Amino acid sequence: GAVVSQHPSWVICKSGTSVKIECRSLDFQATTMFWYRQFPKQSLMLMATSNEGSKATYEQGVEKDKFLINHASLTLSTLTVTSAHPEDSSFYICSARGQTGGNNSPLHFGNGTRLTVT
Amino acid sequence: AQKITQTQPGMFVQEKEAVTLDCTYDTSDPSYGLFWYKQPSSGEMIFLIYQGSYDQQNATEGRYSLNFQKARKSANLVISASQLGDSAMYFCAMREGLAAGNKLTFGGGTRVLVKP
Repeated sequence: GAVVSQHPSWVICKSGTSVKIECRSLDFQATTMFWYRQFPKQSLMLMATSNEGSKATYEQGVEKDKFLINHASLTLSTLTVTSAHPEDSSFYICSARGQTGGNNSPLHFGNGTRLTVT
Repeated sequence: AQKITQTQPGMFVQEKEAVTLDCTYDTSDPSYGLFWYKQPSSGEMIFLIYQGSYDQQNATEGRYSLNFQKARKSANLVISASQLGDSAMYFCAMREGLAAGNKLTFGGGTRVLVKP
């Protein structure tokens, strides 16, 4: 089945540094990728929708200059958390859909990245 | 207003028994899809079952079935013959519209703990 690979699975960084998270679709081409954030014991909140070759669409309240998204190819999207602060510590998870997916095709999720900012 | 509501934050279920997880949704779009995902403690999101707004029959996938009541805007997940490995968070989600790139909106989740 469709596989989405997310890397790294966990990262610890110091406050003020930037962290890049990669999301790859391994056996299909993903025209659209979604980035979600999940705080402990909470639901997944959509941060942005990433379309290959165009600018990402950010949800209300998500700072696009802080969470940089690049979707340069049909198999790779990256999320960069710039100047990370402790409040950015969270579980970040990406998901993707293929070009041929109909309305009933589920999102395929990566295994997530647990970010801890010290 | 919440688009997806899961009113049960947590549930215990005895092994081998069935459990129903509630999900209600709110949309004015006549075309939508409803999904259930399982999230174990490891964090990955596992797709379980899908129900389309125009589907005439309730979806079933193995031990999972979806009790779709369109007029009431509910899409409850039924897990039959619970197993210890079913202990996890369960999320209901909705996609509005038919476009392939439409986002999923998630409910708050229900934590299920299966007791031996």
